[in-house]
Amino acid sequence: EIVLTQSPGTLSLSPGERATLSCRASQIVTTYLAWYQQKPGQAPRLLIYDASKRATGIPARFSGSGSGTDFTLTISSLEPEDFAVYYCQQRSSWPLTFGGGTKVEI
Amino acid sequence: EVQLVESGGGLVQPGGSLRLSCAASGFTFSTYWMTWVRQAPGKGLESVANMNPDGSEIHYVDSVKGRFTISRDNAKSSLYLQMNSLRAEDTAVYYCARGGQQRFDFWGQGTLVTVSS
Repeated sequence: EIVLTQSPGTLSLSPGERATLSCRASQIVTTYLAWYQQKPGQAPRLLIYDASKRATGIPARFSGSGSGTDFTLTISSLEPEDFAVYYCQQRSSWPLTFGGGTKVEI
Repeated sequence: EVQLVESGGGLVQPGGSLRLSCAASGFTFSTYWMTWVRQAPGKGLESVANMNPDGSEIHYVDSVKGRFTISRDNAKSSLYLQMNSLRAEDTAVYYCARGGQQRFDFWGQGTLVTVSS
């Protein structure tokens, strides 16, 4: 099973600041990595897939990078609605695993 | 508009059974992998089971093998999860998600399963 480790666990920032979230895989997943945003009481929402491709309707302030085992989600300038939990997920092999999440809080 | 609507959750005693359903609309269901993903209260996400478009390829996470069965009815655009021998650790919100070899691009709102005596 591929283990995804996200850091930091919590990121405390202010609106307008830049957020940098990390995801490290225990094995190479090439670029088969996605990022999701989840707000309380809601289902996750796809932000980024294949490491760097923005999903439909996702604002340009969200960007993804990386390949192999190390990946980054960057939010260039935090909007109030961006405060949420973010998960990475690999689709390289079953089970399709998720990281433990990074909470971005005000 | 793509919609996934789960149903069938509820309170069940340990050792009991439940059948979850996911009704899909707004896309050609029969051409997509589908996956059940669960989230225990206050915890992260876990892929439980998935199935390819024609049902010929199925995967289960080890913790549910032999207890859960995923199925689909392409004529009804529906996905199912039969859950038997339920345990307290199966308590979670269960989401139906489109995808399985690609990203999960659409999710249902989830249905809560609580296993407790």
